[in-house]
Amino acid sequence: GQQVMQIPQYQHVQEGEDFTTYCNSSTTLSNIQWYKQRPGGHPVFLIQLVKSGEVKKQKRLTFQFGEAKKNSSLHITATQTTDVGTYFCAGPLYSGAGSYQLTFGKGTKLSVIP
Amino acid sequence: DSGVTQTPKHLITATGQRVTLRCSPRSGDLSVYWYQQSLDQGLQFLIQYYNGEERAKGNILERFSAQQFPDLHSELNLSSLELGDSALYFCASSVAGQGEKTQYFGPGTRLLVL
Repeated sequence: GQQVMQIPQYQHVQEGEDFTTYCNSSTTLSNIQWYKQRPGGHPVFLIQLVKSGEVKKQKRLTFQFGEAKKNSSLHITATQTTDVGTYFCAGPLYSGAGSYQLTFGKGTKLSVIP
Repeated sequence: DSGVTQTPKHLITATGQRVTLRCSPRSGDLSVYWYQQSLDQGLQFLIQYYNGEERAKGNILERFSAQQFPDLHSELNLSSLELGDSALYFCASSVAGQGEKTQYFGPGTRLLVL
């Protein structure tokens, strides 16, 4: 069935190193969304990408939507301990009866070693 | 603070029991979504309600049911509880009924079944 896949599942980095998580869909997406869940917290919406090849930046975070609108990436430059958490991508997948449902990847859990 | 509220924050109960989780969406949001998150697992979509009507169903067990009331708050009922039902249960809300829209998550209810 249709899925949103995310890799890696876990990533441990030294503080100051860069980090990237990748998201792939089996089908073309109308948009891709990214959420962050801090340890013990709830998912928080970060950003939405809509256009093919779109790149958006939020300070040290760079989000990219692939040309085919089937993949996306989140890159963090010079990680800090405040970046710790699980990053989820989510895309709308067809769920039948003409409707779409936001489907989350399994997330990448980022640990930052100070 | 996302504006979505959930009660209770924590719930401890025994196998075979029934519990009710409550969610109030952000002001103006008509859709409510329920998710289950087990330890180190992703977000499993359970069910969506839009303006009082069931809109979409995910991997929701028959022992679980939900409803959305005229004031738009929602309740998730879990019955005949099993140990494996121990998890974080999140409620999210969005403005519209289309399931692909950005969702805003509540703080979650942590359920422990002993």
